[in-house]
Amino acid sequence: EVQLVESGGGSVQPGRSLRLSCTASGFTFGDNVMSWVRQAPGKGLEWVGFIRSKTYGGTIEYAASVKGRFTISRDDSKSIAFLQMNSLKTEDTAVYYCAREITRRIYYSYYYYMDVWGKGTTVTVSS
Amino acid sequence: EIVLTQSPGTLSLSPGERATLSCRASQSVSSSYLAWYQQKPGQAPRLLIYGASIRDTGISDRFSGSGSGTDFTLTISRLEPEDFAVYYCQQYGTSSWTFGQGTKVEIK
Repeated sequence: EVQLVESGGGSVQPGRSLRLSCTASGFTFGDNVMSWVRQAPGKGLEWVGFIRSKTYGGTIEYAASVKGRFTISRDDSKSIAFLQMNSLKTEDTAVYYCAREITRRIYYSYYYYMDVWGKGTTVTVSS
Repeated sequence: EIVLTQSPGTLSLSPGERATLSCRASQSVSSSYLAWYQQKPGQAPRLLIYGASIRDTGISDRFSGSGSGTDFTLTISRLEPEDFAVYYCQQYGTSSWTFGQGTKVEIK
């Protein structure tokens, strides 16, 4: 079964750091782009960033709201993606999901989507 | 950055009725990069549609997607009790993703 499990959430004070993990199973983790998406309480979904597979250079992209504070990495040998969150702000309070991205080619078109999501881990930033 | 605007914010319908959800982009979006998700309270989002109109594996044919350019639609032909949820559109562009703000489909 294809599965993603997030861990590492908790309560922290503003300015502190937290590292989230996303452990994958049931598929070849190293072949996939992995994304992080968050959802503040009662709000919609917000993309945080993604890390490409080594095949595509392992490059990383971030949303403007977290760039310079958050760092995404991956350990393909352990099938884990990480989200290092520094200088946390109260507005970073959210459920954090990791998701597997798919790039699928059908004939001459490429399709992009997130097909598998973890259940999420909750981060609360409060003094 | 492309902004996705979903309407209406809330749709109040009865089981058996047809739901039509709109997702409008601030500039043209490739249909190949447009997806729809369903989210129920306390759960992770679930992929319904990708490529604007392709149902993911196991998704009921009650769900259909259409549109191109800046206007996309998710239609639920006959609402079942399990369809009452929040729906998000999403697009991929220039090495980033954006989501619409969501449409809540609630029981009338």
